[in-house]
Amino acid sequence: AQTVTQSQPEMSVQEAETVTLSCTYDTSESDYYLFWYKQPPSRQMILVIRQEAYKQQNATENRFSVNFQKAAKSFSLKISDSQLGDAAMYFCAYRRPLLGFGNEKLTFGTGTRLTIIP
Amino acid sequence: AAGVIQSPRHLIKEKRETATLKCYPIPRHDTVYWYQQGPGQDPQFLISFYEKMQSDKGSIPDRFSAQQFSDYHSELNMSSLELGDSALYFCASSEPRTSSYNEQFFGPGTRLTVL
Repeated sequence: AQTVTQSQPEMSVQEAETVTLSCTYDTSESDYYLFWYKQPPSRQMILVIRQEAYKQQNATENRFSVNFQKAAKSFSLKISDSQLGDAAMYFCAYRRPLLGFGNEKLTFGTGTRLTIIP
Repeated sequence: AAGVIQSPRHLIKEKRETATLKCYPIPRHDTVYWYQQGPGQDPQFLISFYEKMQSDKGSIPDRFSAQQFSDYHSELNMSSLELGDSALYFCASSEPRTSSYNEQFFGPGTRLTVL
């Protein structure tokens, strides 16, 4: 079974600074998908960024980027120019290759609570 | 753009009662996933449906059952409720396989409190 580990229960960063959230995972599959979700106080799950394992290039979405190290099974999230609205719980998630037919459940890590210091 | 709708948003029940949670996926989405998020925990997969058939099952108690209807909405039925069932229940939907990502779109969740 796949497992996802987030070793930082809490992180804090000064506004406008950069912060990196760590995530490691364990899988025996060679192709898979990794995601970072943001859960603000509203509890809504919001997709931040995604990465397909066979793509070497790290994904980037505006101020959010990832450092994907497949051999090390590491998938960290970097948030640049942190803003107050970035304060939330961040979950790393793993998903198997797309098979269709509803077999692509997400396996989440335990989350990292990010606080932004004004 | 239309989003996933979940109802009710909040539900309070007594122990041993039953509860029904409803999920209305985004139009043309044919796959529904249910997740349970306990207090201070990460979401845990419960069950999924594709084209009205159960496709995968996670750590869902036998007291829970679910189905997907002909209009693709889904219902999660929970019986003999226990205090430990208090959680946020998410429904997520995805569209027919059109891209490798096949993103799951989450609803706002139903907060169930069992007293």
